[in-house]
Amino acid sequence: EAGVAQSPRYKIIEKRQSVAFWCNPISGHATLYWYQQILGQGPKLLIQFQNNGVVDDSQLPKDRFSAERLKGVDSTLKIQPAKLEDSAVYLCASSRGETQYFGPGTRLLVL
Amino acid sequence: TQLLEQSPQFLSIQEGENLTVYCNSSSVFSSLQWYRQEPGEGPVLLVTVVTGGEVKKLKRLTFQFGDARKDSSLHITAAQTGDTGLYLCAVNFNKFYFGSGTKLNVKP
Repeated sequence: EAGVAQSPRYKIIEKRQSVAFWCNPISGHATLYWYQQILGQGPKLLIQFQNNGVVDDSQLPKDRFSAERLKGVDSTLKIQPAKLEDSAVYLCASSRGETQYFGPGTRLLVL
Repeated sequence: TQLLEQSPQFLSIQEGENLTVYCNSSSVFSSLQWYRQEPGEGPVLLVTVVTGGEVKKLKRLTFQFGDARKDSSLHITAAQTGDTGLYLCAVNFNKFYFGSGTKLNVKP
């Protein structure tokens, strides 16, 4: 069974630029999560989807972050415009129960 | 204040030594999970503990859920270099929360 796929793996941008991350969950997993992991910290949930509906986005900075999961499968997370403090690893996970399966993450550096 | 406090933050030991890391909270949880994250990878679930006082073993790793279901510990016996990584505890408390983790380095 293929795992959670994420791309790109690395991205370097300048502040005020835009960036998008893509996630392809495990086939059949209805729940999809985006996390932000700042260096030295644990993952922080940004948004949780159930199929193509949003379950929780209370910690998503909505003035600059957006996410969508059209058709209830793939998902994209966008940052526009990026700030220096957005430098982090962005992790996508999917689940069909309480067990989350994580992708390798996208490492973002904002200069 | 973090929902989950993990300690120690860093741990560097020699291969063969034993160690224990902790995950503490003032809240009561229905279950608690432990993950290991290696550099450049996402976290991988090790175990879920559900019952207060429960002890689960995974080879050389022993997980315990506190009687009051507010805390948990992870004990590693005879650590190996392959145990190196970031150990994270997590709970589903209306949404998933992770602790800041314990970064373990096992030296050969």
